[in-house]
Amino acid sequence: SQQGEEDPQALSIQEGENATMNCSYKTSINNLQWYRQNSGRGLVHLILIRSNEREKHSGRLRVTLDTSKKSSSLLITASRAADTASYFCAPRPSGYALNFGKGTSLLVTP
Amino acid sequence: EAQVTQNPRYLITVTGKKLTVTCSQNMNHEYMSWYRQDPGLGLRQIYYSMNVEVTDKGDVPEGYKVSRKEKRNFPLILESPSPNQTSLYFCASSFTTGGETEAFFGQGTRLTVV
Repeated sequence: SQQGEEDPQALSIQEGENATMNCSYKTSINNLQWYRQNSGRGLVHLILIRSNEREKHSGRLRVTLDTSKKSSSLLITASRAADTASYFCAPRPSGYALNFGKGTSLLVTP
Repeated sequence: EAQVTQNPRYLITVTGKKLTVTCSQNMNHEYMSWYRQDPGLGLRQIYYSMNVEVTDKGDVPEGYKVSRKEKRNFPLILESPSPNQTSLYFCASSFTTGGETEAFFGQGTRLTVV
């Protein structure tokens, strides 16, 4: 199945700094989605970027997509302690399956 | 409020005792799926359903069953649970139209099989 691989596995930054995490995948996609998971809770959808888009913004989130490199990045600007969570990408080929990788664990310290 | 509801949230059971984890969504979604999440392995899909009476295996279906008799409900059945099924389970749902839709997740069920 088409899974994303997030990198790095863990990231620790201070409040106010930017956090960047990356996602790589292997086959062609229809869109790519990013989700956040607070400790032990359900995933929450953050943003969807279509295969014909290169960049998308939502509040403090910026997502880029490079289909030639089969990669995406999620940038969180001006991080807050509340951003501490795991972040997952889900590259979506045609069809409806959402397959997740192992995620990036982000820790934002005050 | 749009939501996916799983029950129970926590469950401790013994090996071999059949159990069912329920999942219900109130958004009229066609697509529903189950995942398990284990440390170091991420989220893995167990089963999914495209609509009523249509189910299919995900990546790790062994030891699980599902049914989709009604659109809103998608229970996960463990006929004979074993300790290697100790995990955190999530149900998710989404519309299928166009494939460009977000998934909504339940709050999770933490299952321990002893």
